[in-house]
Amino acid sequence: DTGVSQDPRHKITKRGQNVTFRCDPISEHNRLYWYRQTLGQGPEFLTYFQNEAQLEKSRLLSDRFSAERPKGSFSTLEIQRTEQGDSAMYLCASSLNGYTEAFFGQGTRLTVV
Amino acid sequence: GENVEQHPSTLSVQEGDSAVIKCTYSDSASNYFPWYKQELGKRPQLIIDIRSNVGEKKDQRIAVTLNKTAKHFSLHITETQPEDSAVYFCAASRGNTDKLIFGTGTRLQVFP
Repeated sequence: DTGVSQDPRHKITKRGQNVTFRCDPISEHNRLYWYRQTLGQGPEFLTYFQNEAQLEKSRLLSDRFSAERPKGSFSTLEIQRTEQGDSAMYLCASSLNGYTEAFFGQGTRLTVV
Repeated sequence: GENVEQHPSTLSVQEGDSAVIKCTYSDSASNYFPWYKQELGKRPQLIIDIRSNVGEKKDQRIAVTLNKTAKHFSLHITETQPEDSAVYFCAASRGNTDKLIFGTGTRLQVFP
């Protein structure tokens, strides 16, 4: 499968625990995005990378969230001290640049109990 | 900040009828406008996109129109089929320098 892949697909965690998600973009894609989607809503922008550089982080994102893309390939999104409000689908997308199609992964569904 | 509004939130049509979904954007520097279709439990997938240097683009039963002056763009689906039933999202970005901002989605139901 040469599309965007995310791991894990589902994650259930207790409130206060840390979680980390991984995204593997399409190999030649320079740009990588993280979005969060709750039921009935559109994907909400979290952050994005151009190669290994994190170019923007949403003002809505608390300090508990951090993302990395150390070698400009895969990316990780970590949420520290999870809260119930963090429960959502976390989507990763990649594109060749900002003018071309962004391909989405299947997402990681996080449930905080 | 940037904002994309999308209407209607739900749309029900009879098979064979047309469906129109409208979006407005706030950032006048936006120049790339994709539309995504998301079926239940699946990833969003691009169905059509338009750049600001054109006013309309068609791909078989799907068309998108863009009015930069009014800052709105629309998705038109003709001869709808039950398999068109899904949630559709519009988005806008400044292209090479920015991220995609999505609308809140339109749930389209096509009844046989």
